[in-house]
Amino acid sequence: DQQVKQNSPSLSVQEGRISILNCDYTNSMFDYFLWYKKYPAEGPTFLISISSIKDKNEDGRFTVFLNKSAKHLSLHIVPSQPGDSAVYFCAASVGSSNTGKLIFGQGTTLQVKP
Amino acid sequence: DTGVSQDPRHKITKRGQNVTFRCDPISEHNRLYWYRQTLGQGPEFLTYFQNEAQLEKSRLLSDRFSAERPKGSFSTLEIQRTEQGDSAMYLCASSRQDRPYNSPLHFGNGTRLTVT
Repeated sequence: DQQVKQNSPSLSVQEGRISILNCDYTNSMFDYFLWYKKYPAEGPTFLISISSIKDKNEDGRFTVFLNKSAKHLSLHIVPSQPGDSAVYFCAASVGSSNTGKLIFGQGTTLQVKP
Repeated sequence: DTGVSQDPRHKITKRGQNVTFRCDPISEHNRLYWYRQTLGQGPEFLTYFQNEAQLEKSRLLSDRFSAERPKGSFSTLEIQRTEQGDSAMYLCASSRQDRPYNSPLHFGNGTRLTVT
């Protein structure tokens, strides 16, 4: 039972263009969502998060959008840079006080070509 | 901030042997988590501690797995009688809870276990 799904295993974009990574979830109790980035041989690194009371959160080149009715979130990276090439995981949790117990998607490998 | 440290980075063991991993969290973090990641999947929650208390264990954590955080600082994860299905990356993470929302998890670089 995959509660958080990233249906695109990989994505390739040109440097300077927009990268859009998508994530769907099934559990309507999720109220906090996060994106993590992972380089090879390293642990995941927190990127950006969003509470279910919001529909958008922005941090520099990274913006996360949440569509609760569609149970869908997306991460936009603009402009994309070669250093953004990594595996991106979306994650979700139930209950603001327990945001450390995360349900992760399978990940999407982003390649940004120079 | 020296980050979350895990030791060893790699462990190869024979089926049936016991293994123990260590995690040193960020010093001011009161919560410590263990996750497991297999190839092509995202990390899966195993267990977490608040200070020295183990507050939750996943169904994934069979009786062969035990985790401790004796003084609320470092933690160990032991796997007894290892099986080939235990081969995975074991990730430790820590966070600080002092607000309605936890700080995001900070992950270590993991211990890769290979059971032959």
